[in-house]
Amino acid sequence: GAVVSQHPSWVICKSGTSVKIECRSLDFQATTMFWYRQFPKQSLMLMATSNEGSKATYEQGVEKDKFLINHASLTLSTLTVTSAHPEDSSFYICSAPRTGDEKLFFGSGTQLSVL
Amino acid sequence: QKEVEQNSGPLSVPEGAIASLNCTYSDRGSQSFFWYRQYSGKSPELIMFIYSNGDKEDGRFTAQLNKASQYVSLLIRDSQPSDSATYLCAVIAGGGNKLTFGTGTQLKVEL
Repeated sequence: GAVVSQHPSWVICKSGTSVKIECRSLDFQATTMFWYRQFPKQSLMLMATSNEGSKATYEQGVEKDKFLINHASLTLSTLTVTSAHPEDSSFYICSAPRTGDEKLFFGSGTQLSVL
Repeated sequence: QKEVEQNSGPLSVPEGAIASLNCTYSDRGSQSFFWYRQYSGKSPELIMFIYSNGDKEDGRFTAQLNKASQYVSLLIRDSQPSDSATYLCAVIAGGGNKLTFGTGTQLKVEL
């Protein structure tokens, strides 16, 4: 099946630092990638849609200046959490629809803990 | 009203029984429906997808879709302890590829 690779799997950082998360589609090209956030015992909440070669589309209530998204190629999207604070601690998951059938495949997720 | 609703559970079933998971959605224009399984601390894994009314079977899993009533269900036959997880229902509204997730139902299969 299609593979979406996400790194790092977990990261612990100090408050105020920035953290970059990478999401790669390994065996298909993804013009669109989605970034989700999941707090404990809650469902996935879509943060933004990453579009190759253009600006990301952010969901209501998500600060675009805080969560920087770059989709520079057809296989790579990055999410940078800038000036992270403890309330940003969460499980971040990327996903990409496979070209052709549009089934959505998920990366393995990144557990972010901000101290 | 939430766009995609699921009972959070936990739903407990004995090993070997049929587990029935239900999901309702509010957007009548929704076209694509998915069931994902998520183990604690892991990302979701696609189990089933269904686009048309009726039943779709894949191994021990059967997805059922009723667009008139706006519900989709997942049946798991011969439930195994390894099926214990949270099952997320997800829906794509007409014309897009943006998934909206329900809150998930926690399933516990007991020995």
